[in-house]
Amino acid sequence: SYELTQPPSVSVSPGQTASITCSGDKLGDKYACWYQQKPGQSPVLVIYQDYNRPSGIPERFSGSTSGNTATLTISGTQAMDEADYYCQTWDSGAAVFGGGTKLTVL
Amino acid sequence: QLQLQESGPGLIKPSETLSLTCTVSGGSFNSPSFYWGWVRQPPGKGLEYIGTIYFTGSTYYSPSLKSRVTTSLDTSKNQVSLQLTSVTAADTAVYFCVRGQRSHPPYFDSWGLGTLVAVSS
Repeated sequence: SYELTQPPSVSVSPGQTASITCSGDKLGDKYACWYQQKPGQSPVLVIYQDYNRPSGIPERFSGSTSGNTATLTISGTQAMDEADYYCQTWDSGAAVFGGGTKLTVL
Repeated sequence: QLQLQESGPGLIKPSETLSLTCTVSGGSFNSPSFYWGWVRQPPGKGLEYIGTIYFTGSTYYSPSLKSRVTTSLDTSKNQVSLQLTSVTAADTAVYFCVRGQRSHPPYFDSWGLGTLVAVSS
Protein backbone atom coordinates (compact mmCIF):
# COMPACT_ATOMS: atom_id res chain seq x y z
CA SER A 1 0.00 0.00 0.00
CA TYR A 2 1.05 3.57 -0.64
CA GLU A 3 2.74 5.39 2.21
CA LEU A 4 3.54 9.01 3.03
CA THR A 5 6.38 9.73 5.44
CA GLN A 6 6.58 12.83 7.61
CA PRO A 7 9.03 13.75 10.37
CA PRO A 8 7.37 13.25 13.76
CA SER A 9 8.33 16.68 14.96
CA VAL A 10 9.69 20.03 13.80
CA SER A 11 10.67 22.95 15.98
CA VAL A 12 10.89 26.60 14.99
CA SER A 13 11.44 29.92 16.70
CA PRO A 14 8.75 32.58 16.42
CA GLY A 15 9.19 34.66 13.30
CA GLN A 16 11.35 32.07 11.58
CA THR A 17 10.48 29.76 8.68
CA ALA A 18 9.22 26.25 9.33
CA SER A 19 9.42 23.53 6.71
CA ILE A 20 7.57 20.24 7.01
CA THR A 21 8.28 17.53 4.47
CA CYS A 22 6.18 14.67 3.19
CA SER A 23 7.72 11.90 1.12
CA GLY A 24 6.12 9.26 -1.05
CA ASP A 25 6.86 7.35 -4.22
CA LYS A 26 6.29 9.63 -7.21
CA LEU A 27 4.42 12.06 -4.98
CA GLY A 28 5.19 14.85 -7.42
CA ASP A 29 2.92 13.14 -9.94
CA LYS A 30 0.02 12.85 -7.54
CA TYR A 31 -0.53 16.27 -5.92
CA ALA A 32 -0.55 16.77 -2.17
CA CYS A 33 -2.57 18.74 0.31
CA TRP A 34 -1.95 19.71 3.91
CA TYR A 35 -4.13 19.89 6.99
CA GLN A 36 -3.54 21.68 10.28
CA GLN A 37 -4.98 20.19 13.46
CA LYS A 38 -4.84 21.90 16.81
CA PRO A 39 -5.48 19.95 20.03
CA GLY A 40 -9.12 18.99 20.45
CA GLN A 41 -10.10 20.44 17.08
CA SER A 42 -10.94 19.12 13.65
CA PRO A 43 -8.35 19.32 10.88
CA VAL A 44 -8.34 22.40 8.68
CA LEU A 45 -7.22 22.42 5.06
CA VAL A 46 -4.30 24.82 4.60
CA ILE A 47 -2.90 23.80 1.19
CA TYR A 48 -4.50 21.86 -1.66
CA GLN A 49 -3.22 20.65 -5.03
CA ASP A 50 0.38 21.14 -3.95
CA TYR A 51 0.41 24.90 -3.52
CA ASN A 52 -3.10 26.40 -3.52
CA ARG A 53 -4.25 28.16 -0.39
CA PRO A 54 -7.96 28.11 0.58
CA SER A 55 -9.60 31.42 1.34
CA GLY A 56 -8.98 32.49 4.90
CA ILE A 57 -5.60 30.77 5.19
CA PRO A 58 -2.80 33.28 5.86
CA GLU A 59 -0.29 33.95 3.11
CA ARG A 60 2.53 32.71 5.33
CA PHE A 61 1.41 29.17 4.49
CA SER A 62 2.77 27.85 1.20
CA GLY A 63 3.28 24.50 -0.43
CA SER A 64 5.59 23.04 -3.01
CA THR A 65 6.49 19.69 -4.51
CA SER A 66 9.65 18.35 -6.05
CA GLY A 67 10.25 14.78 -7.06
CA ASN A 68 9.08 12.50 -4.28
CA THR A 69 8.70 15.22 -1.65
CA ALA A 70 6.02 17.76 -0.85
CA THR A 71 6.88 20.59 1.50
CA LEU A 72 4.71 22.82 3.64
CA THR A 73 6.43 26.09 4.46
CA ILE A 74 5.29 28.51 7.10
CA SER A 75 7.03 31.87 6.84
CA GLY A 76 7.17 34.14 9.87
CA THR A 77 5.83 31.37 12.08
CA GLN A 78 3.55 32.50 14.87
CA ALA A 79 2.70 30.86 18.16
CA MET A 80 -0.79 30.15 16.83
CA ASP A 81 0.73 27.91 14.15
CA GLU A 82 1.76 25.34 16.75
CA ALA A 83 -0.23 22.27 15.73
CA ASP A 84 -0.08 18.87 14.08
CA TYR A 85 0.21 18.93 10.31
CA TYR A 86 -0.80 16.11 7.99
CA CYS A 87 -0.07 15.68 4.32
CA GLN A 88 -2.48 13.73 2.13
CA THR A 89 -2.64 12.41 -1.39
CA TRP A 90 -4.61 9.88 -3.41
CA ASP A 91 -3.59 6.45 -4.62
CA SER A 92 -5.82 4.09 -6.58
CA GLY A 93 -8.93 6.06 -5.62
CA ALA A 94 -8.26 6.09 -1.89
CA ALA A 95 -6.95 8.94 0.23
CA VAL A 96 -3.66 8.39 2.03
CA PHE A 97 -2.51 10.47 4.99
CA GLY A 98 0.98 10.95 6.28
CA GLY A 99 1.66 10.11 9.91
CA GLY A 100 1.63 13.75 10.95
CA THR A 101 4.21 16.24 12.16
CA LYS A 102 3.98 18.09 15.44
CA LEU A 103 5.16 21.66 14.92
CA THR A 104 6.46 23.29 18.07
CA VAL A 105 7.01 27.03 18.16
CA LEU A 106 9.63 27.62 20.80
CA GLN B 1 -22.28 28.24 6.62
CA LEU B 2 -21.76 24.56 5.96
CA GLN B 3 -22.07 22.33 9.01
CA LEU B 4 -21.38 18.62 9.29
CA GLN B 5 -22.69 16.96 12.43
CA GLU B 6 -21.77 13.38 13.25
CA SER B 7 -24.02 11.30 15.47
CA GLY B 8 -24.05 7.77 16.78
CA PRO B 9 -23.36 5.60 19.82
CA GLY B 10 -20.35 6.54 21.88
CA LEU B 11 -19.76 2.98 23.02
CA ILE B 12 -20.21 -0.34 21.26
CA LYS B 13 -19.14 -3.89 22.01
CA PRO B 14 -16.55 -5.92 20.11
CA SER B 15 -17.91 -7.79 17.10
CA GLU B 16 -20.86 -5.38 16.76
CA THR B 17 -21.53 -3.04 13.84
CA LEU B 18 -20.66 0.62 14.20
CA SER B 19 -23.26 2.91 12.63
CA LEU B 20 -22.75 6.64 12.29
CA THR B 21 -24.72 9.37 10.57
CA CYS B 22 -23.52 12.75 9.36
CA THR B 23 -26.16 15.43 8.88
CA VAL B 24 -25.18 18.21 6.51
CA SER B 25 -26.69 21.67 6.73
CA GLY B 26 -26.04 25.04 5.16
CA GLY B 27 -24.64 23.64 1.93
CA SER B 28 -25.44 22.05 -1.39
CA PHE B 29 -25.66 18.45 -0.32
CA ASN B 30 -27.04 17.30 -3.65
CA SER B 31 -24.49 19.15 -5.75
CA PRO B 32 -22.36 17.02 -8.09
CA SER B 33 -19.45 19.29 -7.19
CA PHE B 34 -18.95 17.56 -3.87
CA TYR B 35 -18.50 14.16 -2.41
CA TRP B 36 -18.76 12.99 1.18
CA GLY B 37 -16.62 10.78 3.32
CA TRP B 38 -15.29 9.57 6.61
CA VAL B 39 -11.88 9.87 8.27
CA ARG B 40 -11.02 8.56 11.72
CA GLN B 41 -8.36 9.27 14.32
CA PRO B 42 -7.52 6.84 17.12
CA PRO B 43 -6.75 8.59 20.41
CA GLY B 44 -3.33 10.20 20.26
CA LYS B 45 -2.69 8.98 16.72
CA GLY B 46 -2.88 10.23 13.16
CA LEU B 47 -5.64 10.50 10.60
CA GLU B 48 -6.89 7.44 8.76
CA TYR B 49 -9.03 7.49 5.64
CA ILE B 50 -12.12 5.29 5.74
CA GLY B 51 -14.02 5.99 2.55
CA THR B 52 -15.83 8.41 0.28
CA ILE B 53 -19.09 8.39 -1.62
CA TYR B 54 -19.95 10.43 -4.65
CA PHE B 55 -23.25 12.01 -5.68
CA THR B 56 -23.65 9.18 -8.18
CA GLY B 57 -23.43 6.62 -5.40
CA SER B 58 -19.97 5.47 -6.39
CA THR B 59 -17.88 4.54 -3.39
CA TYR B 60 -14.17 4.27 -2.64
CA TYR B 61 -12.80 2.66 0.51
CA SER B 62 -9.51 2.25 2.27
CA PRO B 63 -8.01 -1.09 1.19
CA SER B 64 -7.45 -2.02 4.83
CA LEU B 65 -11.11 -1.45 5.77
CA LYS B 66 -12.85 -2.25 2.52
CA SER B 67 -14.16 -5.63 3.62
CA ARG B 68 -15.96 -4.11 6.64
CA VAL B 69 -17.11 -0.67 5.45
CA THR B 70 -20.25 0.60 3.80
CA THR B 71 -21.18 4.23 3.16
CA SER B 72 -24.46 5.54 1.84
CA LEU B 73 -26.28 8.78 1.10
CA ASP B 74 -29.83 9.81 2.03
CA THR B 75 -30.45 12.85 -0.12
CA SER B 76 -33.92 13.38 1.35
CA LYS B 77 -32.39 13.96 4.77
CA ASN B 78 -29.03 15.43 3.71
CA GLN B 79 -27.27 12.60 5.50
CA VAL B 80 -24.21 10.45 4.95
CA SER B 81 -23.98 7.16 6.78
CA LEU B 82 -21.15 4.87 7.75
CA GLN B 83 -21.32 1.25 8.79
CA LEU B 84 -18.29 -0.65 10.03
CA THR B 85 -18.81 -4.30 10.85
CA SER B 86 -17.06 -6.66 13.27
CA VAL B 87 -15.45 -3.90 15.30
CA THR B 88 -12.55 -4.43 17.66
CA ALA B 89 -10.73 -2.21 20.13
CA ALA B 90 -8.56 -1.05 17.22
CA ASP B 91 -11.61 0.73 15.80
CA THR B 92 -11.80 3.03 18.82
CA ALA B 93 -11.37 6.50 17.37
CA VAL B 94 -12.83 9.91 16.70
CA TYR B 95 -14.79 9.62 13.48
CA PHE B 96 -14.94 12.70 11.28
CA CYS B 97 -17.41 13.38 8.51
CA VAL B 98 -15.80 15.26 5.62
CA ARG B 99 -16.81 17.05 2.45
CA GLY B 100 -14.58 16.85 -0.55
CA GLN B 101 -14.29 19.12 -3.51
CA ARG B 102 -14.69 17.07 -6.64
CA SER B 103 -11.58 18.33 -8.38
CA HIS B 104 -8.42 16.76 -9.69
CA PRO B 105 -7.34 15.63 -7.30
CA PRO B 106 -10.07 15.98 -4.69
CA TYR B 107 -9.42 17.51 -1.28
CA PHE B 108 -11.33 17.62 2.01
CA ASP B 109 -12.36 21.23 2.53
CA SER B 110 -14.84 20.84 5.39
CA TRP B 111 -14.75 18.62 8.44
CA GLY B 112 -17.28 17.86 11.15
CA LEU B 113 -16.37 18.19 14.81
CA GLY B 114 -16.01 14.43 15.05
CA THR B 115 -17.59 11.88 17.35
CA LEU B 116 -15.68 9.54 19.65
CA VAL B 117 -16.59 5.89 19.40
CA ALA B 118 -15.15 3.49 21.94
CA VAL B 119 -15.18 -0.26 21.41
CA SER B 120 -15.24 -2.09 24.71
CA SER B 121 -17.06 -4.93 26.37
